Amino acid sequence: AQRVTQPEKLLSVFKGAPVELKCNYSYSGSPELFWYVQYSRQRLQLLLRHISRESIKGFTADLNKGETSFHLKKPFAQEEDSAMYYCAPRRGANNLFFGTGTRLTVIP
Amino acid sequence: IAGITQAPTSQILAAGRRMTLRCTQDMRHNAMYWYRQDLGLGLRLIHYSNTAGTTGKGEVPDGYSVSRANTDDFPLTLASAVPSQTSVYFCASSPGTSDTGELFFGEGSRLTVL
Repeated sequence: AQRVTQPEKLLSVFKGAPVELKCNYSYSGSPELFWYVQYSRQRLQLLLRHISRESIKGFTADLNKGETSFHLKKPFAQEEDSAMYYCAPRRGANNLFFGTGTRLTVIP
Repeated sequence: IAGITQAPTSQILAAGRRMTLRCTQDMRHNAMYWYRQDLGLGLRLIHYSNTAGTTGKGEVPDGYSVSRANTDDFPLTLASAVPSQTSVYFCASSPGTSDTGELFFGEGSRLTVL
């Protein structure tokens, strides 16, 4: 069964436009949720985690338990935001599952 | 620079050959992981290890084996490679139990099986 869905494989937005990368999960209970990012020629790295309720590089992600979603948002996209983004729910230790990823391209 | 080191960076391999991908970390993390990254499928967990001396199966363990003789090293072995194992392999680590959930990744090993 699909546990995490990122419906958009590719997403292009213009610089300065808002961006939303969608993530839906199908775990029961309350998994921890993370967004990871892989910039060109860099290692995959943690962007943010829902439990921290933080804003990193202008990105935020709100957990919506009713819709079982954890969409990543940024009000004004920058060229340096172009990267591959993975939504990753975790349910217990060693159970960090990654979505299929969304490649974001910010057009100058 | 502290972190995770993977080797080789890239390898082309004939089907049927044995291959070991190496992974070493110097952060004294308890947990280590191997993922494969395939286009359209994202990252899938192959095997993991919670601590030295223990290993466990992930989503796609068939055709792969791991060992964890010490804290630092977590090699991944393909006993008899097949073309479907062509992928980019990522090793990762985390502090372990009660951690924040953040994984630290290596740079990846690109493997092509012909």
